[in-house]
Amino acid sequence: EDQVTQSPEALRLQEGESSSLNCSYTVSGLRGLFWYRQDPGKGPEFLFTLYSAGEEKEKERLKATLTKKESFLHITAPKPEDSATYLCAVRTSGTYKYIFGTGTRLKVLA
Amino acid sequence: EAGVTQFPSHSVIEKGQTVTLRCDPISGHDNLYWYRRVMGKEIKFLLHFVKESKQDESGMPNNRFLAERTGGTYSTLKVQPAELEDSGVYFCASTGGQNTEAFFGQGTRLTVV
Repeated sequence: EDQVTQSPEALRLQEGESSSLNCSYTVSGLRGLFWYRQDPGKGPEFLFTLYSAGEEKEKERLKATLTKKESFLHITAPKPEDSATYLCAVRTSGTYKYIFGTGTRLKVLA
Repeated sequence: EAGVTQFPSHSVIEKGQTVTLRCDPISGHDNLYWYRRVMGKEIKFLLHFVKESKQDESGMPNNRFLAERTGGTYSTLKVQPAELEDSGVYFCASTGGQNTEAFFGQGTRLTVV
């Protein structure tokens, strides 16, 4: 069965304290891995798509990487406004639906 | 450009009543998806439309849920009759191509009491 697991469930960082969020997946055939940010009361907001192992994408303080088993979302020198839930989702061969992980709740303290 | 819009943002109904959720996708997006997040769980797929056709409805929980997309524009998701376990946040998403990123609406929080 296709599965996506995110860790940690929650993370508290001081402003400027860099860290990484993990998304591990077990799927029959990866068609794409997607990172989203979700703020309370809002829908997921698209961040990155990764399609193949070794691929990397960057946007401001965020960098996403992909291997054959997992993806990392690296946050460099985070600010309080980076506080949110970060969601990982995969698409697998034969379907176009997302399979989501449960997310990582990030809190950045000033 | 307008994003994905969902109505209502919140709905509280009694068990046994009927509720209809609406989603307006981004203009020109042929692919429309419904997802649901119940308390403490991950967001889960319900179904996928390509234009007005149901491409994949493998995530629909039971026959109390009916989704339509007449004319291939907006979509509705009706729950009839609602049960307590139907409570959760219902998200709609749309994509331009089938393997491009999905854009989500703000969700409809459904509470069945």
